[in-house]
Amino acid sequence: DGGITQSPKYLFRKEGQNVTLSCEQNLNHDAMYWYRQDPGQGLRLIYYSQIVNDFQKGDIAEGYSVSREKKESFPLTVTSAQKNPTAFYLCASTTAQPGVRVREQYFGPGTRLTVT
Amino acid sequence: GNSVTQMEGPVTLSEEAFLTINCTYTATGYPSLFWYVQYPGEGLQLLLKATKADDKGSNKGFEATYRKETTSFHLEKGSVQVSDSAVYFCALRSGGSYIPTFGRGTSLIVHP
Repeated sequence: DGGITQSPKYLFRKEGQNVTLSCEQNLNHDAMYWYRQDPGQGLRLIYYSQIVNDFQKGDIAEGYSVSREKKESFPLTVTSAQKNPTAFYLCASTTAQPGVRVREQYFGPGTRLTVT
Repeated sequence: GNSVTQMEGPVTLSEEAFLTINCTYTATGYPSLFWYVQYPGEGLQLLLKATKADDKGSNKGFEATYRKETTSFHLEKGSVQVSDSAVYFCALRSGGSYIPTFGRGTSLIVHP
């Protein structure tokens, strides 16, 4: 079955450490996204990528970095510069095929990051 | 810019009650509209969608109709179950944009 995997499900880090969250998809989607979700809050876009080797900042990119070296993979690094990194992180993807009218997003199961 | 407004939660219902979660939007052009559901501790899943005016999306007993005249896409279900307890997100995507716009989500709690 096609889908998006995120690992690990739970991640604990000490303040001041960088940490990388994994996101892999086998849906053959071109576009991938990272969102942050805080308790009782909606989704906030961190970064997105429309194609391999290209990505753009979302609304809250400060303190985060990404890479897109392969179509299937879009890892997110939470750096020590991120002031409040504890949150639930969601990866998503969607097709970017021309002529596709409806482009719903497919989401991974999420990674809950706790920094103490 | 685009925006999606959902009713504030939590919405608390008894099992078998009728559900309505309101969603209104502002957008340029003719957006596609979506409802996503998020169960506790999980990612979002697409619940239903509609692509043009008067389209009705439906899935698992949930329905929503794309109302262009009122710019609304309200989610309804005739008889909710405890297992429907989740957070529901309304969203839109305009034209060729890669970035969807999400509402803040509405939490639904269904009691037995």
